[in-house]
Parts: sequence; structure tokens; C-alpha cells
Amino acid sequence: QVHLVESGGGVVQPGRSLTLSCAASGLSFSNYGMHWVRQAPGKGLEWVALIWHDGSKKYYEDSVKGRFIISRDNSENTVYLQTNSLRAEDTAVYYCAAWLEGYRLHWGQGTLVTVSS
Amino acid sequence: TVVTQEPSFSVSPGGTVTLTCGLSSGSVSTSYYPSWYQQTPGQAPRTLIYNTNTRSSGVPDRFSGSILGNKAALTITGAQADDESDYYCVLYMGSGPWVFGGGTKLTVL
Repeated sequence: QVHLVESGGGVVQPGRSLTLSCAASGLSFSNYGMHWVRQAPGKGLEWVALIWHDGSKKYYEDSVKGRFIISRDNSENTVYLQTNSLRAEDTAVYYCAAWLEGYRLHWGQGTLVTVSS
Repeated sequence: TVVTQEPSFSVSPGGTVTLTCGLSSGSVSTSYYPSWYQQTPGQAPRTLIYNTNTRSSGVPDRFSGSILGNKAALTITGAQADDESDYYCVLYMGSGPWVFGGGTKLTVL
């Protein structure tokens, strides 16, 4: 049973940084790409970033390029999202999702990031 | 690239509804590996359909996926009250980024 647990969310001031973590279990973590997806209050899902299984390739949504960094530690079965220069519009629930066979996503429960002064 | 979905849809209990997932420019094909997710307020998304038409484990067979014309489609046959949710599609764009549709709010009444 695949299980993803996000952590690291909280309230942060504009311009500051926060690092989110997603711990995975129940899968051969190093075989799978990992995504971060966010959802602003009352809004739809927005893809944020993707890292390949071995960390060799990383992709970002345009609004976070240059501010967010996705990384992973396959020895710890964990993927990270370092969020820098945070803006009010980054306020959202952040989900990690595993990219499994058949282009299926398996989701965590999410962690809330609130950017506010 | 914008992925388009109907903002809202309504279906009667027991009825059939088809939600679609298109592209602002071009056609959706199986090469985009469309998948569908159901979400109720306060909950994480739940995978319904992936790789165009494969039902995820535990998903009732009243949910089915297909390509209809130039769009991906999610059909619910025999809608039930607890199908009232938001539904999202996502497309693999082939070069890394994935793109979600804006979601469809389904009302069962």
C-alpha cells in the first residue's frame, strides 16, 4: 500500500522560505517520479513541479520557476519542495503525488502553506 | 497550453453524464495519458481513471474513461448522490510538465 505523508507547511511571511517534505512508503521509491501539486483556497488543482526517479530531470510550472526547488533523497524515500520568495498567491494546500505505472498519480493528504504578514 | 473542462454539470440520480477534457489548441489523444480525479471538499484527490480508460483499484464500474472526438471523457453511468464532487483531468504534455484542467463541479439532483 503506497503511503505519502507531507509535512512542513505553516504560516510564513511574504518573501520568506519554507521547505516541504513528503515521506513515501509502500513503493520502490527510487523507481518513480514525484510531483508537487497545489490547490489555492476555493480553486482547482495546479501542477507545480516534477522530479524524475533518479533526480536527473526537474520541471517547474512557470510561476514558480526560479523560486521553488524540487529535490529528493532516495536513501530516505523523501521528496522535498523548497519554496523561496513566497508570495500571497502561493497560499495553498500542497500535495505530493507519486507518478506510478500507467501515468497514474497516487496522492498524499497535503500540507497547508499560508503566506501572510 | 490550457486544458479545458466544463465548469459545472448537473445530473439526475440514476442518470448518465459525460465530462470532457480538451485542449485550447489541438486534440487530446491517448498519447497524453489522460487521467481523472475526484475530490470532495477538504479531501485529497482520489484517482478514478488513468491511462485514458483504466479504472483505479476499488473504483466502481459506473465510472469509465474514453476518447470522444478530440477530447478525453469521463462517463458516469447510473449517477449516485455521493458522486457529487469536483472532477479534474490531467494531461501529460510529453516533455515534463503536466497540466490540470480547471475542474468540473458535478451536482447530482
